[in-house]
Amino acid sequence: EAEVAQSPRYKITEKSQAVAFWCDPISGHATLYWYRQILGQGPELLVQFQDESVVDDSQLPKDRFSAERLKGVDSTLKIQPAELGDSAMYLCASSETSGTGEQFFGPGTRLTVL
Amino acid sequence: AQSVTQPDIHITVSEGASLELRCNYSYGATPYLFWYVQSPGQGLQLLLKYFSGDTLVQGIKGFEAEFKRSQSSFNLRKPSVHWSDAAEYFCAVGAGSSASKIIFGSGTRLSIRP
Repeated sequence: EAEVAQSPRYKITEKSQAVAFWCDPISGHATLYWYRQILGQGPELLVQFQDESVVDDSQLPKDRFSAERLKGVDSTLKIQPAELGDSAMYLCASSETSGTGEQFFGPGTRLTVL
Repeated sequence: AQSVTQPDIHITVSEGASLELRCNYSYGATPYLFWYVQSPGQGLQLLLKYFSGDTLVQGIKGFEAEFKRSQSSFNLRKPSVHWSDAAEYFCAVGAGSSASKIIFGSGTRLSIRP
């Protein structure tokens, strides 16, 4: 069964360092999402891609976060510099279309900033 | 603005007992509604979704949910829970013109008593 892949699964870093997360969506899925899930809360959308284009990054803290999906397949989310408040689970999801198609989630990357 | 409220942070039920998880939404138009489940260390899995039509929706793993417009609710139910149902459950509403942006509630953690 096709799955969304994410790496690493866990990342510990010190504040002010740079971190990067990678996501490989299900093959053929044009839409890719990055979510941040703070402990005890639901996921919050950071950025949405349709192919290689950003559709929505209104909640992405652009002073320190960046995301790219250069070839419209896999994607990288970067934080530079990391802050203590960035400690969270970062989830990637993909869907066939940007409409009401089901979003399939990866296992997430748990980030701890010390 | 769209929002989702899950009033119960944590629920414990006995194995074999019935379950109802509450969800209230705020949305100006006909909502697209979802329930997701998240097991420890894993990503989110879609249990069921409501877009239109029959207000009682059947999902996977024996779950169902009922859309009640008059109460702005979309409660999740299961007649008999199993120990494997212990997880975090998220209600969500699809926002935007194509409902591609999903707004999640804060989740309800379900524990099963042997």
